[in-house]
Amino acid sequence: DAGVIQSPRHEVTEMGQEVTLRCKPISGHNSLFWYRQTMMRGLELLIYFNNNVPIDDSGMPEDRFSAKMPNASFSTLKIQPSEPRDSAVYFCASSLTGREAFFGQGTRLTVV
Amino acid sequence: EDQVTQSPEALRLQEGESSSLNCSYTVSGLRGLFWYRQDPGKGPEFLFTLYSAGEEKEKERLKATLTKKESFLHITAPKPEDSATYLCAPGTTDSWGKFQFGAGTQVVVTP
Repeated sequence: DAGVIQSPRHEVTEMGQEVTLRCKPISGHNSLFWYRQTMMRGLELLIYFNNNVPIDDSGMPEDRFSAKMPNASFSTLKIQPSEPRDSAVYFCASSLTGREAFFGQGTRLTVV
Repeated sequence: EDQVTQSPEALRLQEGESSSLNCSYTVSGLRGLFWYRQDPGKGPEFLFTLYSAGEEKEKERLKATLTKKESFLHITAPKPEDSATYLCAPGTTDSWGKFQFGAGTQVVVTP
């Protein structure tokens, strides 16, 4: 398996624009996670899906953030409108529930 | 409220100088604890899962141990390639399957 695949790897956008980050989890995994990592706040869990259903979105910072998982092989994290403080590295990870999670390479988002 | 604290925040070691990292937690219903390493510019990489107090697991120069209140990651005779940030994530009965990480310990091993 190719592992967790995220796209794009880098994104530079202007404040106010919509940003969509994409994730393809490992085939067969039924849990999916979106994280945000910054120097100040470390690795924060934004949202957790199990069997394509959002289980816990308490880490989503604001209504500007939304995540979907339309099927077992694809998820998106959308920020609309984006702000400079959203600049961070966003990671997607997947697992079999309760087992170790595998992370993608991340998307480095810069909002100018 | 569940809390995870990793110490020290940063550690600088000479090659061959053994040391330990700490992950302490105040959680109810600990079910397991995960250790990861993260290299700059990459996603975290799984190292170990520990399930019960007294359990130990080893991988090359790393050994992880678990008590009821904390976990240690021992690095024996480290090499420069062991330089990374090490992260822990305790899992509880209520949060099992959901990974919430500590702030990590940044380890630098110099030749």
